[in-house]
Amino acid sequence: GAGVSQSPSNKVTEKGKDVELRCDPISGHTALYWYRQSLGQGLEFLIYFQGNSAPDKSGLPSDRFSAERTGGSVSTLTIQRTQQEDSAVYLCASSSPMAYEQYFGPGTRLTVT
Amino acid sequence: AQTVTQSQPEMSVQEAETVTLSCTYDTSENNYYLFWYKQPPSRQMILVIRQEAYKQQNATENRFSVNFQKAAKSFSLKISDSQLGDTAMYFCAFMPVMNSGYSTLTFGKGTMLLVSP
Repeated sequence: GAGVSQSPSNKVTEKGKDVELRCDPISGHTALYWYRQSLGQGLEFLIYFQGNSAPDKSGLPSDRFSAERTGGSVSTLTIQRTQQEDSAVYLCASSSPMAYEQYFGPGTRLTVT
Repeated sequence: AQTVTQSQPEMSVQEAETVTLSCTYDTSENNYYLFWYKQPPSRQMILVIRQEAYKQQNATENRFSVNFQKAAKSFSLKISDSQLGDTAMYFCAFMPVMNSGYSTLTFGKGTMLLVSP
């Protein structure tokens, strides 16, 4: 079946602009995760959604970052007033109920100029 | 909090040979999973192998196997008969088992493996 998809693949934006990154999880997967991969910090957890429960936002680095998940499927990660330090690859993953493996999308490379 | 350490930033191996990537972790949890993910230049993170902490038997997946030493908190990956397509960044990752069944991954910094002809 189809894997996790993310769009756009690459995004270049000017400092101060808002960006939206999209993730489509594998059909039937109830958990969805966002991670950030940067040269300086490696792979960091940002936020995760589990079914209809309140999301775990403990990894979000600042209040400029927010995410939502509509209809228990597609998720959007929004970064407001982007800064150069937001430049990174943003990875989305999903997992099925009571399974521990997370399956990743190809990521969105964000470059803030 | 958990930490995952990969002490080898880069490794090289020739085609058909065997290579071992190291990983150590620190946790106070007793029940958890460990994973190795592979990230080729395409950027796609691919699950290579997983190990449940409660299982003593080391996991194997074709040419990939692990050496899980729970007391030492060590989880190394052995790749046998290395192939050019194994060239990638390899990440070790830790996940505690929660009552909800969901949890997040803590990753090491990665080891870049280069397989040469």
